[in-house]
Amino acid sequence: DSGVTQTPKHLITATGQRVTLRCSPRSGDLSVYWYQQSLDQGLQFLIQYYNGEERAKGNILERFSAQQFPDLHSELNLSSLELGDSALYFCASSVAGSTGELFFGEGSRLTVL
Amino acid sequence: DAKTTQPPSMDCAEGRAANLPCNHSTISGNEYVYWYRQIHSQGPQYIIHGLKNNETNEMASLIITEDRKSSTLILPHATLRDTAVYYCIVRGLGSGNTPLVFGKGTRLSVIA
Repeated sequence: DSGVTQTPKHLITATGQRVTLRCSPRSGDLSVYWYQQSLDQGLQFLIQYYNGEERAKGNILERFSAQQFPDLHSELNLSSLELGDSALYFCASSVAGSTGELFFGEGSRLTVL
Repeated sequence: DAKTTQPPSMDCAEGRAANLPCNHSTISGNEYVYWYRQIHSQGPQYIIHGLKNNETNEMASLIITEDRKSSTLILPHATLRDTAVYYCIVRGLGSGNTPLVFGKGTRLSVIA
């Protein structure tokens, strides 16, 4: 158990819909990262937050947005969903914003039909 | 950050040592080598990291060559539960906000 909690674990929705994925970081961790892993694809970095502020941005689509709240939990919002958005979405956390030692949650599996 | 090269797959007999190589010939002086693994569709798990000295923890050992152009992750007594994709990642000490970039990794199959 990494200490990072992601909800929901599984989500099935239709094209055009909007979903929100939630992540609670390990106690004391200030930084949250979001990664996407499509079927047979590698882990793609989406975005990083540190203590409520955006720190780094990867190949995150404009239809996707994220935020980190004062209690340090984070949400990833995916809108106008397409079939290709079906993937595992992982959240990770770390104590600092620049460390390479990340702790990953078990992921949220999104299926878009 | 330097690029890494790993074999796409490897097999290892249960109980034997698994030696996973990684080439990072363009590594620079302030870049660390990190290893993660991902057991089927679970979240990636941090294993170990090092700069230039060999490192050991309860999970594995990391051997980095003197010229730092390659490294080997050693699982001393592989079990079936070690079957996973192993990622070798190079990341600079001063990378600041640069995120970890995962490549394709090595798929290790531990065979009974």
